[in-house]
Amino acid sequence: GNSVTQMEGPVTLSEEAFLTINCTYTATGYPSLFWYVQYPGEGLQLLLKATKADDKGSNKGFEATYRKETTSFHLEKGSVQVSDSAVYFCALHNPSNQAGTALIFGKGTTLSVSS
Amino acid sequence: NAGVTQTPKFRVLKTGQSMTLLCAQDMNHEYMYWYRQDPGMGLRLIHYSVGEGTTAKGEVPDGYNVSRLKKQNFLLGLESAAPSQTSVYFCASSYWRESDTQYFGPGTRLTVL
Repeated sequence: GNSVTQMEGPVTLSEEAFLTINCTYTATGYPSLFWYVQYPGEGLQLLLKATKADDKGSNKGFEATYRKETTSFHLEKGSVQVSDSAVYFCALHNPSNQAGTALIFGKGTTLSVSS
Repeated sequence: NAGVTQTPKFRVLKTGQSMTLLCAQDMNHEYMYWYRQDPGMGLRLIHYSVGEGTTAKGEVPDGYNVSRLKKQNFLLGLESAAPSQTSVYFCASSYWRESDTQYFGPGTRLTVL
């Protein structure tokens, strides 16, 4: 079946540190991959996405590259800010899924950035 | 544009009570979804709809019913609430394909005692 595995949190960093949140997936065919972010007390917002192998999604200084050979979509940012503190979700959509599924989410990784 | 709105924001129920959560979107999206979010579980799909008048089961549909009588609204009902349904519920919508960007509401925090 389809699944997404994210690194366990919480991740605690100082401002301006480098961030990596690992995400790997299991899927048949050619899924689309997403990173969503959830700020405290809010719903999820799309951060970036990639729809085919070797695509790089980027937004707000975050980026992730769709690696089919390693089935990964790791999220990176060169210099985090306190305002990046949130929960980050990796997700996939597999167009070959049977009806009954939409996005498949990882369990989420909490990032806490201190000044 | 308000985007996706959810009513209510918080609710406490007793076991066996019923309630309806309302989701509304003003983006003319065809697809709408209900998810639940539990600690350490990520988001799981309850039900979804691919257009007005249609509904379909997701990963965890038991104990819930839905209706999509109008394109802009998607209702989630709990007929007889159970403590296992204590969760945060999110509604989302997308333009027409499941792989399109999904836009999420702010969530409803439900506690069943």
